[in-house]
Amino acid sequence: GAVVSQHPSWVICKSGTSVKIECRSLDFQATTMFWYRQFPKQSLMLMATSNEGSKATYEQGVEKDKFLINHASLTLSTLTVTSAHPEDSSFYICSAIGVDIQYFGAGTRLSVL
Amino acid sequence: TQLLEQSPQFLSIQEGENLTVYCNSSSVFSSLQWYRQEPGEGPVLLVTVVTGGEVKKLKRLTFQFGDARKDSSLHITAAQPGDTGLYLCAGDRGTYKYIFGTGTRLKVLA
Repeated sequence: GAVVSQHPSWVICKSGTSVKIECRSLDFQATTMFWYRQFPKQSLMLMATSNEGSKATYEQGVEKDKFLINHASLTLSTLTVTSAHPEDSSFYICSAIGVDIQYFGAGTRLSVL
Repeated sequence: TQLLEQSPQFLSIQEGENLTVYCNSSSVFSSLQWYRQEPGEGPVLLVTVVTGGEVKKLKRLTFQFGDARKDSSLHITAAQPGDTGLYLCAGDRGTYKYIFGTGTRLKVLA
């Protein structure tokens, strides 16, 4: 079946650095991908909708300059957490729409020291 | 803001017991999905319900979509330790833009 690959699965970085997370649809093209954030023991919160070839649409309260999204091809969307701080530590999950089904990546755990 | 409230938030039961998880909203959704998530992994889709009043069964799991498409329930019969996980409902706001419920953390004890 369709698979969404997310990389890296775990990253530790120093405060002030930027981190890039990749989300790939492996066997289907996805014009739309979504990025979610999940804090420990909480539900998923939609951050933004990534649209191939156009600007991402951010949810209210999500800083677009902080969380840069690029959807340069039909199989790849990237989320860059810029100037990361400890409060950005979280579990980030992407999803892509296949044939009427939303497929999720395995998530990226970001720890900012 | 559309909210999907799940209840209970936490549930710890013995193997073999039955349970029901509820997902409620004041908003109407075109479809609703149920997911299960293991720690450190992404959510895995269990079912999608589309029609008001629809009932779907997946082995020991029974899903129901409310007549008004504002609420849903998940019933597990004879729970097993393998059912342990975080259960999430998600409502479609349109064009696959899903809003997730608050989550129900289930622990089934052997």
